[in-house]
Amino acid sequence: GAGVSQSPRYKVAKRGQDVALRCDPISGHVSLFWYQQALGQGPEFLTYFQNEAQLDKSGLPSDRFFAERPEGSVSTLKIQRTQQEDSAVYLCASSSTNTGDGYTFGSGTRLTVV
Amino acid sequence: AQSVTQPDIHITVSEGASLELRCNYSYGATPYLFWYVQSPGQGLQLLLKYFSGDTLVQGIKGFEAEFKRSQSSFNLRKPSVHWSDAAEYFCAVVPNTGFQKLVFGTGTRLLVSP
Repeated sequence: GAGVSQSPRYKVAKRGQDVALRCDPISGHVSLFWYQQALGQGPEFLTYFQNEAQLDKSGLPSDRFFAERPEGSVSTLKIQRTQQEDSAVYLCASSSTNTGDGYTFGSGTRLTVV
Repeated sequence: AQSVTQPDIHITVSEGASLELRCNYSYGATPYLFWYVQSPGQGLQLLLKYFSGDTLVQGIKGFEAEFKRSQSSFNLRKPSVHWSDAAEYFCAVVPNTGFQKLVFGTGTRLLVSP
């Protein structure tokens, strides 16, 4: 597609529920990133894929967070047993380069845990 | 510690006035440097980037930034602000360590007064 698409746009989850957030990157982009943006903060790195390989997951805050990209295109970020501190905007970005430029960000999924 | 600092949380500028947003980084080697803009409910849009070479970088929407190695700074400037420039601005770096994840500052919210 023309841009990075994320769904759902908004998600309200009750504490303890599991959620799955989807990212459709730009076709052909090998690099895919997930970021978490808390209210009033800058985005913080969660995880990075190169094709289907998850090369860095050092930013995932706990083992309740899991990301996958099984066919090297669409990626899913799953959060199990959601907590209130998980409330944030989750941004996905894709890139065709490995130099840090050329990132295209999606509009994000705003997760609210109540 | 390695970090990106944006010392101004909010800045208010009159329409037509000049703008400078500050960014300082703390890394051993000069990282790749970026400025992004985020409008409400939108993803992040790249304004400009610096990798090497000319220290004055031109970007989109009339923005420019100057890299100053001696001050570890990469300040964003615009000679005449328009009301549509009101948004959140993020400075970001890719540490020059061979891995390409973006590290963001906490952002500066720009308000434009009539």
